[in-house]
Amino acid sequence: RKEVEQDPGPFNVPEGATVAFNCTYSNSASQSFFWYRQDCRKEPKLLMSVYSSGNEDGRFTAQLNRASQYISLLIRDSKLSDSATYLCVVNAFNSWGKFQFGAGTQVVVTP
Amino acid sequence: EPEVTQTPSHQVTQMGQEVILRCVPISNHLYFYWYRQILGQKVEFLVSFYNNEISEKSEIFDDQFSVERPDGSNFTLKIRSTKLEDSAMYFCASSEQGPNQPQHFGDGTRLSIL
Repeated sequence: RKEVEQDPGPFNVPEGATVAFNCTYSNSASQSFFWYRQDCRKEPKLLMSVYSSGNEDGRFTAQLNRASQYISLLIRDSKLSDSATYLCVVNAFNSWGKFQFGAGTQVVVTP
Repeated sequence: EPEVTQTPSHQVTQMGQEVILRCVPISNHLYFYWYRQILGQKVEFLVSFYNNEISEKSEIFDDQFSVERPDGSNFTLKIRSTKLEDSAMYFCASSEQGPNQPQHFGDGTRLSIL
């Protein structure tokens, strides 16, 4: 089983619509969770950290479900500039920053 | 906004040659990392570095790899004898206060081994 799994997509989303997708992780001792976005052949850019109680940053909402070992990302009012690959990142307890990346979920926002 | 900078942006090297990739982390960050991403694949952890020593390394980071912080600003990754399969994008990252904090990535060095 992969350590971090994501639906590769693509999720084709009309501009202004809402899109949501999940990521599952296998290590129950995982401690830190993040969403990054990656544009084609560019560096990963931090989108948001994911907290146990769930958190929101503008149009983006992240949730963590420790019991079922998944995190989710919801994007409201999608913009063309939201088109990217969204990377789920997990850091295990006692890990010295060994971020484990999912393969990414591609989102394509269409006019 | 402070950023991690990497040089060169693209490095082409003959197989068997040594290569050094350079990074300048964000100035007040204390934790440094190298990752790689082979084309079409996920980002993979190589090594973390804190207080002038390796904190953790992956199975990819074998004896051909080494890291160094030669001065107060640079952080380098050396590959001693490159192989074709070392061709990838190499990302440097840094975090401010601890290994569980968000990591900020540089824009990468594309390494092409011929």
